Amino acid sequence: QVQLQQWGAGLLKPSETLSLTCAVKGGPFSDYYWIWIRQPPGKGLEWIGDISYGETTNYNPTLKSRVTISTDTSKNQFSLKLTSVTAADTAVYYCARAPKGLAGRFDYWGQGTQVTVSS
Amino acid sequence: DIQLTQSPSFLSASVGDRVTITCRASQGISIDLAWYQQKPGKAPKLLVYAASTLQSGVPSRFSGSGAGTEFTLTISSLQPEDFATYYCQQLNSYPRTFGPGTKVDI
Repeated sequence: QVQLQQWGAGLLKPSETLSLTCAVKGGPFSDYYWIWIRQPPGKGLEWIGDISYGETTNYNPTLKSRVTISTDTSKNQFSLKLTSVTAADTAVYYCARAPKGLAGRFDYWGQGTQVTVSS
Repeated sequence: DIQLTQSPSFLSASVGDRVTITCRASQGISIDLAWYQQKPGKAPKLLVYAASTLQSGVPSRFSGSGAGTEFTLTISSLQPEDFATYYCQQLNSYPRTFGPGTKVDI
């Protein structure tokens, strides 16, 4: 059974760097895209970006200048860094998995991490 | 970017009702569309992908259809556990985008 377990700091001050990690348990790390999504309070879902096993990354243009997604294949983990956070970055952040190839979908999700940016 | 709109944004229904949610894309996306269900405080759950393929373990009362720019998610007989918010998502091009959601309430 595939599980995505995520963790990271939940309270940040403006201008700090958000850092989250997602561990993949019970499934392979290759042949998938590894994804970060966020959801501001009371709002919809926003795709942040993804990374493939071959380290190719894709980022949302609205966040691209501040986002880095990376993998640690030795630990079956991937991470998100978002620099210079503001209150607008307050959200629940989710990690997810998408199989490569046709029929794209986000089939497994982490439990979510609430991140609050406040001075 | 491909924009997705959903209608209605809010739907009031009763147990046993047939419910249909529509998702429209700003340009053609073939069948590269998925539907998710989200309950308060929980991560979204995949229901349908490739417009009409039911994810393993999802009840057969859920079905998806459509191609190009117009898609629908149908719940044939609404059950108490189906009261939630539903999102469509396009996976045809980057950036991936989601619809604004449809809340199904009693």
